[in-house]
Amino acid sequence: DTEVTQTPKHLVMGMTNKKSLKCEQHMGHRAMYWYKQKAKKPPELMFVYSYEKLSINESVPSRFSPECPNSSLLNLHLHALQPEDSALYLCASSRLNGVTYGYTFGSGTRLTVV
Amino acid sequence: DAKTTQPNSMESNEEEPVHLPCNHSTISGTDYIHWYRQLPSQGPEYVIHGLTSNVNNRMASLAIAEDRKSSTLILHRATLRDAAVYYCILGAGKSTFGDGTTLTVKP
Repeated sequence: DTEVTQTPKHLVMGMTNKKSLKCEQHMGHRAMYWYKQKAKKPPELMFVYSYEKLSINESVPSRFSPECPNSSLLNLHLHALQPEDSALYLCASSRLNGVTYGYTFGSGTRLTVV
Repeated sequence: DAKTTQPNSMESNEEEPVHLPCNHSTISGTDYIHWYRQLPSQGPEYVIHGLTSNVNNRMASLAIAEDRKSSTLILHRATLRDAAVYYCILGAGKSTFGDGTTLTVKP
């Protein structure tokens, strides 16, 4: 299995809702990432997990809450989002040193906040 | 993080070679150079990476300047399916995407 699977593919949520994005990989990668991508812009790093521990948080607002329950699974919990949070949310994984070995990305979750 | 600079857009004719440049003048000695591409409505896809020597794989070739301050992704025969945004990234610990190059392939 050489894929990163993200669910759901599309999500529409209200500003008072709580929802979660899910990301799964079975490649034995021990680093996992969340990126946010606005239209016609490059992906922006949000969080990095190494060995299931949060290692990088790029000053992301607390309405985004990541979780890594095990080495194959990464969640992003969403609460009280704003319309400007609408974007494509990408998950990626890599061997521990992604810059040496490269990243595998999922197809993303297209989030719309109404 | 070291920064990369790429042209905003490039055009190519189908079945012709394409050379996509990337400047990274502040690269450190341990930074690998990675290339990814992103098709519409998809996540980025790994293309190729290297450290110092030129690299080849089934998708492309990567030519790295001797001083490592620039690199070039070479698609030997562009097809319509190669139309995408191409990102050159590097760094240690975390990688920042630059704005990338939008490649248009004309039939």
